[in-house]
Amino acid sequence: KAGVTQTPRYLIKTRGQQVTLSCSPISGHRSVSWYQQTPGQGLQFLFEYFSETQRNKGNFPGRFSGRQFSNSRSEMNVSTLELGDSALYLCASSSLAGNEETQYFGPGTRLLVL
Amino acid sequence: AQSVTQLDSQVPVFEEAPVELRCNYSSSVSVYLFWYVQYPNQGLQLLLKYLSGSTLVESINGFEAEFNKSQTSFHLRKPSVHISDTAEYFCAVSARTAGNKLTFGGGTRVLVKP
Repeated sequence: KAGVTQTPRYLIKTRGQQVTLSCSPISGHRSVSWYQQTPGQGLQFLFEYFSETQRNKGNFPGRFSGRQFSNSRSEMNVSTLELGDSALYLCASSSLAGNEETQYFGPGTRLLVL
Repeated sequence: AQSVTQLDSQVPVFEEAPVELRCNYSSSVSVYLFWYVQYPNQGLQLLLKYLSGSTLVESINGFEAEFNKSQTSFHLRKPSVHISDTAEYFCAVSARTAGNKLTFGGGTRVLVKP
């Protein structure tokens, strides 16, 4: 089975712009979660989608949003980019609703905001 | 809410020596516990997880971790490390009723020296 794929892998934007990142989960997986990784704050949970519904949300401002499509692919959007949004954004998928299931992570999208 | 503390940010160790990475957590509800590894420029990979049952869990590549409920710890050990174990290791918890939301520790960078 192919792993979790994320596109693009690298992205450079300027302050004030918006960005959309994409995540394709492992085939058959219905849960997709997003995390932000920065040197200062570490790994932080953004949100989780299961069967097109947002099931959990972390403590991020409303500029961060996401959605999930019927084929389980997910996108996250960041509007009005700030310098502090520079980070590695990781997506993870798992097969079932329960959190005892292993989450499989993609390689991430590295976003640089100038 | 949950929190995770990894007591060592960096651990230098010689090849074939043992290593222990310490992890303590805080939670008002029952949790699942995980160790993930991140190699340079890659996403996270699950090393092992504790869900229930035996408090000692093992991975296929020689790592083991022991869940200690009274000390709220989940330390990771390997009796003999290889150069290829150089990576960053993250301890994480997930509340049993929270869906796929992982709370991560700050990470421990392991540098294996020849």
